[in-house]
Amino acid sequence: TQLLEQSPQFLSIQEGENLTVYCNSSSVFSSLQWYRQEPGEGPVLLVTVVTGGEVKKLKRLTFQFGDARKDSSLHITAAQPGDTGLYLCAGWDYGQNFVFGPGTRLSVLP
Amino acid sequence: KAGVTQTPRYLIKTRGQQVTLSCSPISGHRSVSWYQQTPGQGLQFLFEYFSETQRNKGNFPGRFSGRQFSNSRSEMNVSTLELGDSALYLCASSLGRGWGNIQYFGAGTRLSVL
Repeated sequence: TQLLEQSPQFLSIQEGENLTVYCNSSSVFSSLQWYRQEPGEGPVLLVTVVTGGEVKKLKRLTFQFGDARKDSSLHITAAQPGDTGLYLCAGWDYGQNFVFGPGTRLSVLP
Repeated sequence: KAGVTQTPRYLIKTRGQQVTLSCSPISGHRSVSWYQQTPGQGLQFLFEYFSETQRNKGNFPGRFSGRQFSNSRSEMNVSTLELGDSALYLCASSLGRGWGNIQYFGAGTRLSVL
């Protein structure tokens, strides 16, 4: 059983569309991080959310941390082909373990 | 500031052989963690080293081992390779351990076992 669940598993959209991916857990996390990984490369950190209810914006990407610190979402506005990749959420649980979700594989078609 | 460097980028080995992978963390980072990434299992934690000591270990057989040197560089060793060990092995470094420490990843070593 995954400590962090992500949905959807796969997403294929046209350039210019909006999308939201989700990261959920039954456990409380002290913080959650979002990474993007391109084929053959390591994950690259996008953002860290720390406070319950926090919303962070990074250009066209909006990240939200749930009030109960058990879930997070990533919203992309006007997706571009360069947004294609595997989006991973990860976080430190209160057992001091750093865990990853299985990822959402996004494909943005031109 | 240089990022996390992993060498080699690609490796091809045969079953039964052993392999050593290397990771140089970001300067000043003292914690190094290793992960195995496969299409079926995703990213799985192997172990974490801090101040030359293994601090945490994932659920992998004893064939997987590692060490960390005084300059924080780390190596990972896999002995008696099996076909299922084919994966992308990722190293991540962070300033410290635990909550609030951001992990920065290298590009990985792609290991193929034939």
